[in-house]
Amino acid sequence: EAAVTQSPRNKVAVTGGKVTLSCNQTNNHNNMYWYRQDTGHGLRLIHYSYGAGSTEKGDIPDGYKASRPSQENFSLILELATPSQTSVYFCASGDASLGGGSQNTLYFGAGTRLSVL
Amino acid sequence: GDSVTQTEGLVTLTEGLPVMLNCTYQTIYSNPFLFWYVQHLNESPRLLLKSFTDNKRTEHQGFHATLHKSSSSFHLQKSSAQLSDSALYYCALSDRVDSNYQLIWGSGTKLIIKP
Repeated sequence: EAAVTQSPRNKVAVTGGKVTLSCNQTNNHNNMYWYRQDTGHGLRLIHYSYGAGSTEKGDIPDGYKASRPSQENFSLILELATPSQTSVYFCASGDASLGGGSQNTLYFGAGTRLSVL
Repeated sequence: GDSVTQTEGLVTLTEGLPVMLNCTYQTIYSNPFLFWYVQHLNESPRLLLKSFTDNKRTEHQGFHATLHKSSSSFHLQKSSAQLSDSALYYCALSDRVDSNYQLIWGSGTKLIIKP
C-alpha cells in the first residue's frame, strides 16, 4: 500500500501568520497534489507537481504557494494565513505518467486540519 | 472542459436496500479512466474501484460499476446496503493531457444508511 504522510495533523494559526504544511511520500510517484476539503465543496485542487522542482497552479491557488524540493516531499505554504483558509488539507501522490499502469490512481495522506483564528 | 457530474448530494437509505449513486462525465478523450473513491468520516479518500473498459463490470468490496461510454456514465451500485457503507463517495475522471494524466473530481455524494 502506498504511503503518504502529512504533518502536522492539526494546526492552529493566527491571522497573518505563516503556515507550512508538509507531505512526504515513499511511493516514488511523480505526481503530488494538495487539496482542500470543505463541507459543500468537495475536493478542490490548490497546487500540484509533476516532479521535483515543478509546481503548477490548480483550481484555487490564490493565497497559497507550493514547493517540491525532491521526489518525496511537497509542501504547501500559506504566507499570510486568513480565516477563510480554515479547512482540512489533503496531500496525495499518484503515478500519472503514460505507461505507468496506475492510470493516475491517487493515494491520500491522513489530512491536516487547519484553523486560522 | 472535462467535467464529472454527481447529481445527488445526499442519499439516505435503509439498511438492506440497494444502492445506486449516479456519475456521468464529459470528456473529449476517447479512453478515459473512471474511478470511485470512498471517504469515511474523519478519514481520507481511498480508491474503491476503477475502470477504463467499456461495458465491463468492475467489482470491489461488494460494490460494482460499469463504464458505459455510449451514455458517458459510471454509476456505483450495491445490492444491499450496510450501515458501514455510510460515507462520502466521489466519482473521478482521468484523461490524457500532453504527456500526463489529469484528474477531474465530481462534487461527491454523501450516503447515509439507516437501520
